[in-house]
Amino acid sequence: DTGVSQNPRHKITKRGQNVTFRCDPISEHNRLYWYRQTLGQGPEFLTYFQNEAQLEKSRLLSDRFSAERPKGSFSTLEIQRTEQGDSAMYLCATPGGRTNYGYTFGSGTRLTVV
Amino acid sequence: DAKTTQPTSMDCAEGRAANLPCNHSTISGNEYVYWYRQIHSQGPQYIIHGLKNNETNEMASLIITEDRKSSTLILPHATLRDTAVYYCIVRAFSLQAGTALIFGKGTTLSVSS
Repeated sequence: DTGVSQNPRHKITKRGQNVTFRCDPISEHNRLYWYRQTLGQGPEFLTYFQNEAQLEKSRLLSDRFSAERPKGSFSTLEIQRTEQGDSAMYLCATPGGRTNYGYTFGSGTRLTVV
Repeated sequence: DAKTTQPTSMDCAEGRAANLPCNHSTISGNEYVYWYRQIHSQGPQYIIHGLKNNETNEMASLIITEDRKSSTLILPHATLRDTAVYYCIVRAFSLQAGTALIFGKGTTLSVSS
């Protein structure tokens, strides 16, 4: 139990389709982060929320990507018109957790665009 | 946040100590050294962090040089389950700060029997 639940764990979609991922922190945290990780690379920051407000977006977040956190609890990340280059692991994280010092990450959603 | 340099990969025999180095020569006075690891198909997991003193917890020990330009993560008795990618990250400590963790490529540690 990582304290952050992500669904689905795996998603296979055809190019051009839209996909949506969900992140549910088990405990309430005012900040929530999304990362993307491609094979052989470390996680790359995409965006973060302070409560409902999306405060920062990476330049990696093209206009096909949109993220929401409507009630300051769970968050969704949508990718429209998926491309093969979107294939990656999408990770969600919140500060604190077991140690109260680090960030707690979910197990991620692995997206494969065919 | 300061940049870090880590070896791409390391091997360790099961039961032996694994010593993972990290260089962070441009670290600032208010920046901490954090270590995370990522086991295959899971999200990164916090291990330990420190400012200038050596730190130890149930997972590992962190040795930071006196000039703070490098550090070593020590897994005292590595097991097969410690096989993972280990990331060294330097950043100012504040869970209230909005700045996200910036990951490099890390060190792939392979523990074998």
